[in-house]
Amino acid sequence: AQRVTQPEKLLSVFKGAPVELKCNYSYSGSPELFWYVQYSRQRLQLLLRHISRESIKGFTADLNKGETSFHLKKPFAQEEDSAMYYCALSSGSARQLTFGSGTQLTVLP
Amino acid sequence: DVKVTQSSRYLVKRTGEKVFLECVQDMDHENMFWYRQDPGLGLRLIYFSYDVKMKEKGDIPEGYSVSREKKERFSLILESASTNQTSMYLCASRIELGVTGELFFGEGSRLTVL
Repeated sequence: AQRVTQPEKLLSVFKGAPVELKCNYSYSGSPELFWYVQYSRQRLQLLLRHISRESIKGFTADLNKGETSFHLKKPFAQEEDSAMYYCALSSGSARQLTFGSGTQLTVLP
Repeated sequence: DVKVTQSSRYLVKRTGEKVFLECVQDMDHENMFWYRQDPGLGLRLIYFSYDVKMKEKGDIPEGYSVSREKKERFSLILESASTNQTSMYLCASRIELGVTGELFFGEGSRLTVL
């Protein structure tokens, strides 16, 4: 069965510092991975997907099939990056998403 | 912009009551989903629907049922609410594509069962 693990419930960094949110997955098929973000009092929304290989709001994520990881990185964190971040894996015939437990990122001034 | 609207933002119900959570999307999306969101557990899929009158169980369907009589509306039903169903419920929709499309979420319905 598919599984997504985000080992850090809480993560705090100072403004301007690099940030890395960890995500590991287990899946027997070819993975499609995503990061979703929920800012305070806002809806959950897509941040980025591995297939696009894009940078959104300065964030990037590389799929590492050898380590079964999809860590989210940003070289210089900003206060507005403070939010809850969820890693998600698409699987099954309906491509339903399995989400991790989330990491609450706080960027300190 | 895609709009997913959940009719009730906050509900308080008593144990044993029947609860309806309504979700409407305005972009003609085929797929709709119900998740519950709990601290430390993330989002867990309850039910989803490919299309009208189609439904599939997710990871935690026990104690829930769903209805999709019209394409734009997907209802979650708790036949007999229990305290362990106190949670935030999120509805989402997406267009059917050859790859996994973006999920568009509603604002959530926070249910408290006393």
